[in-house]
Amino acid sequence: DAKTTQPPSMDCAEGRAANLPCNHSTISGNEYVYWYRQIHSQGPQYIIHGLKNNETNEMASLIITEDRKSSTLILPHATLRDTAVYYCIVKSNTGKLIFGQGTTLQVKP
Amino acid sequence: SQTIHQWPATLVQPVGSPLSLECTVEGTSNPNLYWYRQAAGRGLQLLFYSVGIGQISSEVPQNLSASRPQDRQFILSSKKLLLSDSGFYLCAWATGKGQPQHFGDGTRLSIL
Repeated sequence: DAKTTQPPSMDCAEGRAANLPCNHSTISGNEYVYWYRQIHSQGPQYIIHGLKNNETNEMASLIITEDRKSSTLILPHATLRDTAVYYCIVKSNTGKLIFGQGTTLQVKP
Repeated sequence: SQTIHQWPATLVQPVGSPLSLECTVEGTSNPNLYWYRQAAGRGLQLLFYSVGIGQISSEVPQNLSASRPQDRQFILSSKKLLLSDSGFYLCAWATGKGQPQHFGDGTRLSIL
């Protein structure tokens, strides 16, 4: 499975959009981009995933570049409860879910 | 809707004692089930996964074992705990391979 690169930390003002980048330049054609987050002392929470097209659900939007080498997770109106570690993972249908170090997002009032 | 339960939430055990952590899923049939461990400040490591009753795949050699006695029940066990078994243990389920995994709230295990 391809590796991902994320900034170790980011800040965002409450009420603003949080844009979390992820680089996955070695992604294969059959690999999906998954996003999870982990709030302190809890299990990871699935957010969204996509293959080629941009995706949106009630939690977030996922923007994948045309060459699929990078993506951005967008939380449209960040709240204090969105403070967490955000993990970008690429995996195929048969691959393992491998969590890296992620991005620690701090939402500030 | 589907829910996943893990217990206990925290556990303190002496070295050499046995372990049994339980995970159950409600609201779905024949899920894929997973056990992960997260050491302090580290990412998640997949320990075991199961695609059906009695079917267990081990990802890393270790002091732990897993069993799936019922469709929606997954148990993590050890006969004799080591200090290195300390960590945050997470159970997850998915409807199938390639589908998003959904995690429980975990068990924080401390070995003294």
